[in-house]
Amino acid sequence: DQQVKQNSPSLSVQEGRISILNCDYTNSMFDYFLWYKKYPAEGPTFLISISSIKDKNEDGRFTVFLNKSAKHLSLHIVPSQPGDSAVYFCAASATNKLIFGTGTLLAVQP
Amino acid sequence: EAEVAQSPRYKITEKSQAVAFWCDPISGHATLYWYRQILGQGPELLVQFQDESVVDDSQLPKDRFSAERLKGVDSTLKIQPAELGDSAMYLCASSPTGNTIYFGEGSWLTVV
Repeated sequence: DQQVKQNSPSLSVQEGRISILNCDYTNSMFDYFLWYKKYPAEGPTFLISISSIKDKNEDGRFTVFLNKSAKHLSLHIVPSQPGDSAVYFCAASATNKLIFGTGTLLAVQP
Repeated sequence: EAEVAQSPRYKITEKSQAVAFWCDPISGHATLYWYRQILGQGPELLVQFQDESVVDDSQLPKDRFSAERLKGVDSTLKIQPAELGDSAMYLCASSPTGNTIYFGEGSWLTVV
């Protein structure tokens, strides 16, 4: 049973536009959420996180939104840049154990 | 910037052979994780250490996989015997608090 779901395996966006990556979860015990970026043949790199007591966290071009009632979070990247092209994983944490989604491949077209 | 170190980066081994991966976490990080990532899937936790103690190894196939962190610093993950289905990226990660974890570059394993 997939507790963290990323239903879009891929997303293509024009450079300069907004990228919106979505993630849904099923376990209401999750209290911390993270986004990681992964290039091929490298380990995931931490991007941004949000605690369940907040509904928004912003860091430069990256903003994460959390809707607890819908058990949904999203990552907004604006403006998107070609270097943002990578696989993005959302992850959720309960009792210090991270559960990852299956990832979304973002392609930013120049 | 401190990093999680892993070796080897790439390993090709024949099935039924033994293989081992090494990880040195970020200095001062008490929690160490081994994850496995198969192409097209997200990382899956194999084992979690707090200092030298295992706190979660529920997803570790214990008939062939073993992990240790003897002095509470670096760690080794061993597979014996390797099977074709073990081909994946093996990721080590560490954390100071347990919420945000930081990954190493990963070790690619191909079993032939």
